[in-house]
Amino acid sequence: EVELVESGGGLVQPGGSLRLSCAASGFTFSSYEMHWVRQAPGKGLEWVSYISSSGSTIYYADSVKGRFTISRDNAKNSLSLQMNSLKAEDTAVYYCARGTYCTNGVCYLDYSDYWGQGTLVTVSS
Amino acid sequence: DIQMTQSPSTLSASVGDRVTITCRASQSISTWLAWYQQKPGKAPKLLIYKVSSLESGVPSRFSGSGSGTEFTLSISSLQPDDFATYYCQQYHTYSTFGGGTKVEIK
Repeated sequence: EVELVESGGGLVQPGGSLRLSCAASGFTFSSYEMHWVRQAPGKGLEWVSYISSSGSTIYYADSVKGRFTISRDNAKNSLSLQMNSLKAEDTAVYYCARGTYCTNGVCYLDYSDYWGQGTLVTVSS
Repeated sequence: DIQMTQSPSTLSASVGDRVTITCRASQSISTWLAWYQQKPGKAPKLLIYKVSSLESGVPSRFSGSGSGTEFTLSISSLQPDDFATYYCQQYHTYSTFGGGTKVEIK
């Protein structure tokens, strides 16, 4: 059974940093692209970042570019999001989501078929 | 950036009704569109990908259509479990979600 479990959320002051993690199980993690998607309280979904199966291709939303860094450790079946220079508008539930299978290591940024339960990040003084 | 606009933002309907939600892209996204259902406090659930392909386990009362810039999600006969918020997502260029459509009980 596919499972994605996020951790690392919490309360942080504006300008601070936080590192989110996502532990994956139940599938061959190294063969799938992964995403981070967030949802501010009472608002809609916002795509944050993408990483290919090997980690060689990475994309960010303009709203987080230069402040957030996505990474993965395929040996540990783990996805991370390093968030620096946090702002109040970064307050949200952050979801880790699985993209599609990368055939022969070739990935195409795609939809997400499995999502974690989310971890709440609150940026406030 | 590609913008995704959903309408309506809220839809009131009764069990058994046919429901249609529209999603418009600011430029052509071919058929690179997915639909998700989200219930309060829960993660989104994939319903449909590539405009009209039904995800495994999703009831056949859900269907999708469209191409280019205009897309629709239809529920043929609304069931009690279908009251939720629905989002479209383009993945033609990076990824963008629509603003959501809340389907509530009339």
